[in-house]
Amino acid sequence: GAGVSQSPSNKVTEKGKDVELRCDPISGHTALYWYRQSLGQGLEFLIYFQGNSAPDKSGLPSDRFSAERTGGSVSTLTIQRTQQEDSAVYLCASSLSGRETQYFGPGTRLLVL
Amino acid sequence: KQEVTQIPAALSVPEGENLVLNCSFTDSAIYNLQWFRQDPGKGLTSLLLIQSSQREQTSGRLNASLDKSSGRSTLYIAASQPGDSATYLCAGGGGGNKLTFGTGTQLKVEL
Repeated sequence: GAGVSQSPSNKVTEKGKDVELRCDPISGHTALYWYRQSLGQGLEFLIYFQGNSAPDKSGLPSDRFSAERTGGSVSTLTIQRTQQEDSAVYLCASSLSGRETQYFGPGTRLLVL
Repeated sequence: KQEVTQIPAALSVPEGENLVLNCSFTDSAIYNLQWFRQDPGKGLTSLLLIQSSQREQTSGRLNASLDKSSGRSTLYIAASQPGDSATYLCAGGGGGNKLTFGTGTQLKVEL
């Protein structure tokens, strides 16, 4: 079956612009996660959605970051007024429930100039 | 706050050698421990998941163990092959299964 997909695969933007990153989880997976992988910080958790519950936003680094998940499926991560330190690979993962194996997408490589 | 450490940071071995990658974590209240591999420029591929009630999991040439009391997990790779060359990441699953990742071990298996 299809895995987790993310778009775009690469994004170059100018400092101060807004960007939207998209994640399509595996069909039927109720849990969806966003992570960020950067050279200085390694892989870090950003936000977690589980079913219809309120998302866990505890990993978001600032209020410029937000995410939503529509219809319990597709998720969009939005970064407003991008900064150079936002440059990283943004990874999305989904799992069948909140305790199962997480399956990762290929990531979106974001470069802020 | 959970902290996950992996040693060594890099490892180079000849083909056919058995090897062990180490992962340690500070908070034993984890739900599970997951091992991944990451190839350059790619996403993460799940290798093994050990639930907190389990001691080990096996898949092919891979065996992962979990000792919550000592805060350690190991990934054993038997008869290593050049195709095993990648970065190996361990991650502890906390509340909501949010993963806290180690910094990885970069493995190179040479012909």
